[in-house]
Amino acid sequence: ETGVTQTPRHLVMGMTNKKSLKCEQHLGHNAMYWYKQSAKKPLELMFVYNFKEQTENNSVPSRFSPECPNSSHLFLHLHTLQPEDSALYLCASSQTTGFDEQYFGPGTRLTVT
Amino acid sequence: EDQVTQSPEALRLQEGESSSLNCSYTVSGLRGLFWYRQDPGKGPEFLFTLYSAGEEKEKERLKATLTKKESFLHITAPKPEDSATYLCAVSSSGSARQLTFGSGTQLTVLP
Repeated sequence: ETGVTQTPRHLVMGMTNKKSLKCEQHLGHNAMYWYKQSAKKPLELMFVYNFKEQTENNSVPSRFSPECPNSSHLFLHLHTLQPEDSALYLCASSQTTGFDEQYFGPGTRLTVT
Repeated sequence: EDQVTQSPEALRLQEGESSSLNCSYTVSGLRGLFWYRQDPGKGPEFLFTLYSAGEEKEKERLKATLTKKESFLHITAPKPEDSATYLCAVSSSGSARQLTFGSGTQLTVLP
C-alpha cells in the first residue's frame, strides 16, 4: 500500500447505527487530518492530530469521535448521525502541522438514512 | 479569519483552448498557497505550493503564479484528461495548523 488509504469507500448507515471510518498513511508523516466535503461547499476541517495528539477540533458535534492510536492510523467513530452528515469524509496527512502540503486519501462516501 | 474565493465556479473549454483559473485570498500573513486537483469520487491530489509573491511553478500543461492578493492556475492547450475540479487552499500565520480551502473551479475540457 502506498500513500493514504481509507476504508470503507462507501458506507450507508441509519441514524441509530454506530460505525467507524479508518485511515492509514504510508508516508511516514506525523500529522493527520479529518475533513468533511459536502456538495458545492469548501472542504471543512474537522480534526487535526500531530504526533498522535489532537491539536484542533473545529467545533465538531460529539456524534463524531476521532481516535489516533499512532502516527500512521486515524479513526473516526460515528454514532447517532443525522441525514445532513451525509458527505465525503477525507483523511489527509502531512509531514508536520502547519504549512506543509497535505496528501489526501480517496475518501469515504457516507450516506445517513 | 482567512478567506479564499475561486472563480469561475465552472469553466468549459475546447481542447487546446488555453485559460486561467483564479484564486483570491485574504489572510493574516500568508505562509503558503496550495493547488490541488480533484477527480469525481476521489480525494484531492496535490499539485503545487507557492510561498511568496512572484513565485511560479509548472507541471506539464499547468502553471501556477502568485501575487500578494491572488493566484492563477494557467492551463495551456488543455486536453480532456485535464477535466477535474481544481482547489486552492491557503495556510497563514494566523492559523498555521489549518488549510483554508476555496470552493473550487470545475473544469471541463471538451474534445
